[in-house]
Amino acid sequence: DAKTTQPNSMESNEEEPVHLPCNHSTISGTDYIHWYRQLPSQGPEYVIHGLTSNVNNRMASLAIAEDRKSSTLILHRATLRDAAVYYCILMPSGTYKYIFGTGTRLKVLA
Amino acid sequence: DTEVTQTPKHLVMGMTNKKSLKCEQHMGHRAMYWYKQKAKKPPELMFVYSYEKLSINESVPSRFSPECPNSSLLNLHLHALQPEDSALYLCASSQEGPRVGGYTFGSGTRLTVV
Repeated sequence: DAKTTQPNSMESNEEEPVHLPCNHSTISGTDYIHWYRQLPSQGPEYVIHGLTSNVNNRMASLAIAEDRKSSTLILHRATLRDAAVYYCILMPSGTYKYIFGTGTRLKVLA
Repeated sequence: DTEVTQTPKHLVMGMTNKKSLKCEQHMGHRAMYWYKQKAKKPPELMFVYSYEKLSINESVPSRFSPECPNSSLLNLHLHALQPEDSALYLCASSQEGPRVGGYTFGSGTRLTVV
């Protein structure tokens, strides 16, 4: 299973953009890149996913490197409610097998 | 209805007890999952059901027994657990494959084995 590498923790000021990096140098051509976040005492929450092109939704943007060996989750204006552990996960096409990495704990400062 | 509902939210059981965790979704998802999460660790995949059939078992000990009675329900039967099995047990569901979108997770059952 292809693995992802993320920083253990990051800090951001409230109302500023946050860029959460993820390295996945062993990604294969059919692996989708998914991002989840987990707030305290809750299950993980889907944020965004993509394959090759950059993606935007109401929660965030996903920027995927041209060689697909890395990606960045962008929160455009961090709020205190965005404090969570963010997981970058590779999902091979045709499987249901999510393997979570260690994730990045995001702290948002008021 | 866009939720995955897990019951109970908290469970304390002795090592000789038998108990069950329940999970329910009404989103028409045909894949359902059990994950185990220890404190400060990422979720670990246990089982995957696809179209009500067990498709992945991640070498989980037999004291954990999953069951999928229908497309909306997923159970996890527990028997003769050990204290190290204490964890948050998460259920999730999804459409087929990763193209459509992500998983929807429940809030979990916090299990304590005494």
